[in-house]
Amino acid sequence: QVQLVQSGAEVKRPGSSVKVSCTASGDTFSNYAIAWVRQAPGQALEWMGGIVPIFGTVNYAQKFQGRVIITADESTSTAYMELSSLTPEDAAVYYCARENTYGSDFDYWGQGTLVTVSS
Amino acid sequence: ETVLTQSPDFQSVTPKETVTITCRASQNIGTSLHWYQQKPDQSPKLLIKYASQSISGVPSRFSGSGSGTDFTLTIKSLEAEDAATYYCHQSSDLPSFGGGTKVEIQ
Repeated sequence: QVQLVQSGAEVKRPGSSVKVSCTASGDTFSNYAIAWVRQAPGQALEWMGGIVPIFGTVNYAQKFQGRVIITADESTSTAYMELSSLTPEDAAVYYCARENTYGSDFDYWGQGTLVTVSS
Repeated sequence: ETVLTQSPDFQSVTPKETVTITCRASQNIGTSLHWYQQKPDQSPKLLIKYASQSISGVPSRFSGSGSGTDFTLTIKSLEAEDAATYYCHQSSDLPSFGGGTKVEIQ
């Protein structure tokens, strides 16, 4: 059974960075891509970027270019999303999701990580 | 960048009704369109992939259709457990999501 388990909730100060992890189990990590999607309170889903671990290729949404870094560690089947220069508008639930094949549907999702940004 | 526009934003329906949600893409995306269901405080769940392909374990009352720029998610004989927000997602180019449609059961 495929599972994506994310790190716990974070409280951050404006201007700081947050790094969220997503550990996969139940299937071969390198065979898939991992996407990061966020959801601000009461808002729609928003794609931030994704990585194909086996190739190391990464794509980012233009909105987050220069502020987000997505990485993956195949040895631990873990993907990471680091977002810097946080503002209160970055307060959201951050999800990782597995892409069935690169550029396809998101068939499995993590449980979400709540990031609060407050001074 | 492909923009997805969903309609309606909100729909209030009674059990056993049929619900139709539309998703319009700003450019031709073929059938690279997927549908998700999200219940409060839960992660999204894949319902339909590639416009009309069913997903194992998803009830048969959920179906999808469309290609190009216009897509539809249909929920037949709505049940109380279908109260949720539904999102479309395109994977033709860099991914994007629609704004969501909240379905409330009267």
